[in-house]
Amino acid sequence: QSALTQPASVSGSPGQSITLSCTGTSSDVGAYDSVSWYQQHPGKAPKLIVFDVSNRPSGISSRFSGSKYGNTASLTISGLQAEDEADYYCSSYIRRSTLVVFGGGTKLTVL
Amino acid sequence: QVQLVESGGGLVKPGGSLRLSCTASGFTFSDYYMTWIRQAPGKGLEWVSYIRGSGTSIYYADSVKGRFTISRDNANRALYMQMNSLRAEDTAIYYCARDGMGATTLGGWFDSWGQGILVTVSS
Repeated sequence: QSALTQPASVSGSPGQSITLSCTGTSSDVGAYDSVSWYQQHPGKAPKLIVFDVSNRPSGISSRFSGSKYGNTASLTISGLQAEDEADYYCSSYIRRSTLVVFGGGTKLTVL
Repeated sequence: QVQLVESGGGLVKPGGSLRLSCTASGFTFSDYYMTWIRQAPGKGLEWVSYIRGSGTSIYYADSVKGRFTISRDNANRALYMQMNSLRAEDTAIYYCARDGMGATTLGGWFDSWGQGILVTVSS
């Protein structure tokens, strides 16, 4: 069982906005602004799309945005595109013995 | 551009050992914390181990503590993972990744990943 809870699957139509959730506790997501999000296409390595809750690395589309409220972090993808279909993982840097915890991942299907 | 290339994976029997390597290019290797992250077949990501840029600070997940040893050779821009007493549950793709913050501060986020290398533990 993963430390952070993500819905197993989410779907949306092209052009729509969807929000993926990542729920932790007051000891991880709620305690630090150190949530990051990764996109993984089948057979590929994960790709960083958001770090420190809401920052985007250079080259990542502004269609991807992150936020956090309490113990839940969220990734919003606006203007959904076919290439957004992938698995999405959240993670939190928790500054304890297990330094980084991941969610179980959400499979995003673009209808 | 940043490139990370893993090698050394393969099939090993339970209780056996394997050494993974990751060769880095395109950035000042010693300026970054490096990490290993694994993904069991069809499963999610699991952080395994971190090593500071200087090699002086090392961290492990509880699941591998005492069995795996991370190390680095900055002169040769290489990251290693010595895996001993391997178990079936260690079967996974192992990714080498760079922490995005730098050599002395952990960010807990990974901005560059290798393509991954498969380790299969089976009799």
